[in-house]
Amino acid sequence: QSALTQPASVSGSPGQSITISCTGANSDIGVRNYVSWYQQHPGKAPKLIIYDVSYRPSGVSTRFSGSKSGNTASLAISGLQAEDEADYYCSSYTDSSTVFGGGTKLTVL
Amino acid sequence: QVQLVESGGGVVQPGRSLRLSCAASGFSFSSYGMHWVRQTPGKGLEWVAVIWSDGSNKYYADSVKGRFTISRDNSKNTLYLQINSLRPEDTAVYCCARLYYNAMDVWGQGTTVTVSS
Repeated sequence: QSALTQPASVSGSPGQSITISCTGANSDIGVRNYVSWYQQHPGKAPKLIIYDVSYRPSGVSTRFSGSKSGNTASLAISGLQAEDEADYYCSSYTDSSTVFGGGTKLTVL
Repeated sequence: QVQLVESGGGVVQPGRSLRLSCAASGFSFSSYGMHWVRQTPGKGLEWVAVIWSDGSNKYYADSVKGRFTISRDNSKNTLYLQINSLRPEDTAVYCCARLYYNAMDVWGQGTTVTVSS
């Protein structure tokens, strides 16, 4: 159950696009399409924004998209807005456990 | 509306026990698997445990296996986490979350557990 690897921080200007990577292993990300992404603002509960690699829950902006290649999943955010500034966590589900990444702080400059 | 509300946290001495509760409302609780996740101050999320909708299967993180027990009472729409032999490293905000596909779509605000002598 090793944590997934995310960059500690990323930044971008309003209107730009950014990508956050999430690297796992053959035993988690690489084996199933069960990657999810969460957005967390300070003092708030995490919010699901992507599940099963690339699906958006109802109500989540189309500016958020997910993908996967091999052992690495990615979250892309287009048209950055000030409200996107938050922590982002990836997660991978396997048969009997869930593992999170260490989180990435997104700063909107 | 769909809601999860945790309770039962507090300040406890190392080695003691605590039972956390998560009250669900606004959805058919018995139809969903449920997770416990913890978050240490200023740090990231750590998955703790999951229980199937009918309670038939339970799985734990290696870091809590043998000390934590997840359970549920579908008649009371409530999820529980029994924590035994508390350690300082168990200090965290404990959140319950609803299992949705292979993710967690509804989260509570959490209850804080502080382990200190």
